[in-house]
Amino acid sequence: KQEVTQIPAALSVPEGENLVLNCSFTDSAIYNLQWFRQDPGKGLTSLLLIQSSQREQTSGRLNASLDKSSGRSTLYIAASQPGDSATYLCAVWGDRGSTLGRLYFGRGTQLTVWP
Amino acid sequence: DGGITQSPKYLFRKEGQNVTLSCEQNLNHDAMYWYRQDPGQGLRLIYYSQIVNDFQKGDIAEGYSVSREKKESFPLTVTSAQKNPTAFYLCASRDPGQEQFFGPGTRLTVL
Repeated sequence: KQEVTQIPAALSVPEGENLVLNCSFTDSAIYNLQWFRQDPGKGLTSLLLIQSSQREQTSGRLNASLDKSSGRSTLYIAASQPGDSATYLCAVWGDRGSTLGRLYFGRGTQLTVWP
Repeated sequence: DGGITQSPKYLFRKEGQNVTLSCEQNLNHDAMYWYRQDPGQGLRLIYYSQIVNDFQKGDIAEGYSVSREKKESFPLTVTSAQKNPTAFYLCASRDPGQEQFFGPGTRLTVL
């Protein structure tokens, strides 16, 4: 069964720092990987989708990388701002058998950026 | 505006009652999903449907039921058999190989 782990579970940093959030998964047979943001009491907002054939994706100050063979992804946030404070979740899509069409989520990294 | 709507935003249920959570999407997506979120446990998949008139159980389907009679709608019923239904429920949809999009969620509380 696919398991997704996110490290660290929580992170508190001053404004302006560059951040690295880590995600690892146990089964490298994934279809693609998606990063989400969740604000308290809200639904999830999609940040980046990386196809299994890609190595990275960028959107503004966000950059996500994917290394399928080692089962790792990294979300890089440049020049962090207080508005970046939220929980960031990593999820992988299964690509075969009973995992096909399903997303497997990590528990998230709770980020606080203080002024 | 294209998106996913969930209603109601807050729902209160007495023990022994069945309640139905609504999820509607106008994104023309084939696949729809229901998740449950509890503090400290992350998201857990309840049911999903990849096409109209078809759905599969997720990891925690016991005490829940769904239907998929229309492409745009995927209601979730929380039955009295679900012993601990208090949670935040999230609906999502996507097209194959593409991003998954989420609704704003329904918070269910058992009184």
